[in-house]
Amino acid sequence: QVQLVESGGGVVQPGRSLRLSCAAYGFTFSNRAMYWVRQAPGKGLEWVSVISYDGSIKYYADSVKGRFTISRDSSQNTLYLQMNSLRAEDTAVYYCARDQREFSYGYPVDYWGQGTLVTVSS
Amino acid sequence: EIVMTQSPATLSVSPGERATLSCRASQSVGSNLAWYQQKPGQAPRLLIYYASSRATGIPARFSGSGSGTEFTLTISSLQSEDFAVYHCQQYNDWPLTFGGGTKVEIK
Repeated sequence: QVQLVESGGGVVQPGRSLRLSCAAYGFTFSNRAMYWVRQAPGKGLEWVSVISYDGSIKYYADSVKGRFTISRDSSQNTLYLQMNSLRAEDTAVYYCARDQREFSYGYPVDYWGQGTLVTVSS
Repeated sequence: EIVMTQSPATLSVSPGERATLSCRASQSVGSNLAWYQQKPGQAPRLLIYYASSRATGIPARFSGSGSGTEFTLTISSLQSEDFAVYHCQQYNDWPLTFGGGTKVEIK
């Protein structure tokens, strides 16, 4: 069955970097757009970034544009989020998520990982 | 950016009763509206897409309606497992945006 497993979260100082990974199982990874969505403690959901199924299209929320980079390695069925110049307001659980439709993007998420917590604190 | 506003923030309902949750968009999103359920410590789960289509495996007691800027999620008869936070999301335009959530709690 479909499974998304995030890793790479932890405690990091402001201004430092962190890379999140998401291993995908149980579906044809190269056919699906993928997302990162985050949730600050006690808050709502915030879309962070999307990458199209072939990696040719990438969008970012304004709050992370220029600091975060999304990428994918379809040979490894893995999604990444490189986070640079981290700020306290980036503290959140980061979810990896799959687009509902094949060969498209911008549709609802039909599967989510369990999330990885990133804490930015000195 | 399209702002999504959910109301009420908290809804107190007795088991077996009907729950009605609202979601309003700051501009039209057509029918490109999804609802997710999230339980404490868990990832969200897709309930409804295209405003009224139930996702795979979602019970018939969950229904969605609306278009344009006004949307509703109805849970016809609340079961114990339905007490959770519900999020709406528009996917009509970038950036994708979520509402602040409605917590459905036991009355």
